[in-house]
Amino acid sequence: DIQMTQSPSSLSASVGDRVTITCRASQTISSYLNWYQQKPGKAPKFLIYAASSLQSGVPSRFSGSGSGTDFTLTISSLQPEDFASYYCQQSYSTPRTFGQGTKVEIK
Amino acid sequence: QVQLQESGPGLVKPSETLSLTCTISGGSISSYYWSWIRQPPGKGLDWIGYIYYTGSTDYNPSLKSRVTISVDTSKNQFSLKLSSVTAADTAVYYCARFQSNWGYFDYWGQGTLVTVSS
Repeated sequence: DIQMTQSPSSLSASVGDRVTITCRASQTISSYLNWYQQKPGKAPKFLIYAASSLQSGVPSRFSGSGSGTDFTLTISSLQPEDFASYYCQQSYSTPRTFGQGTKVEIK
Repeated sequence: QVQLQESGPGLVKPSETLSLTCTISGGSISSYYWSWIRQPPGKGLDWIGYIYYTGSTDYNPSLKSRVTISVDTSKNQFSLKLSSVTAADTAVYYCARFQSNWGYFDYWGQGTLVTVSS
């Protein structure tokens, strides 16, 4: 199985901050990396596919980058509705695996 | 707009079989893969498996011996059965649509909590 490791596990930030979350795969996955946002008690929401392609309707302050084993999710200017947990997911091979999550909290 | 809704018992006894159904509305079950994903309380997401509308399946090897996913195209539904459950299977279970081109889950149900307890 491909292991996905996110860092940090949690972070505190203020509205307007630039936030970066890292996801590392245990082996190369090309650009087969997706990102999700999850708020407490809710289902995950799909944000980004193919490492950097924004799903329709997702605000442009979200962006993704990377290829191979190292990927990042960036929120350019954190908004109140962005406080949530974020998960990466590899789609290079089965079983499909997720990172352990990064919780973005209010400072 | 595609919507998914999970249904089934919220409490299952140890050693018994967990059964859930996902009903799809606002779109057809055809031409897509449909998946089950679970999330233990306070933990991350685990992919259980998926089924193509034709009935072909792929399961997580960690659960493969206990999992069956089936599809009923006439009802626009697919289902999960997980046998011989233990407390470790307590989780919120989500159904989701899987896009096979880039391998992402684009539509999710709201999730249903299943507790394994006697």
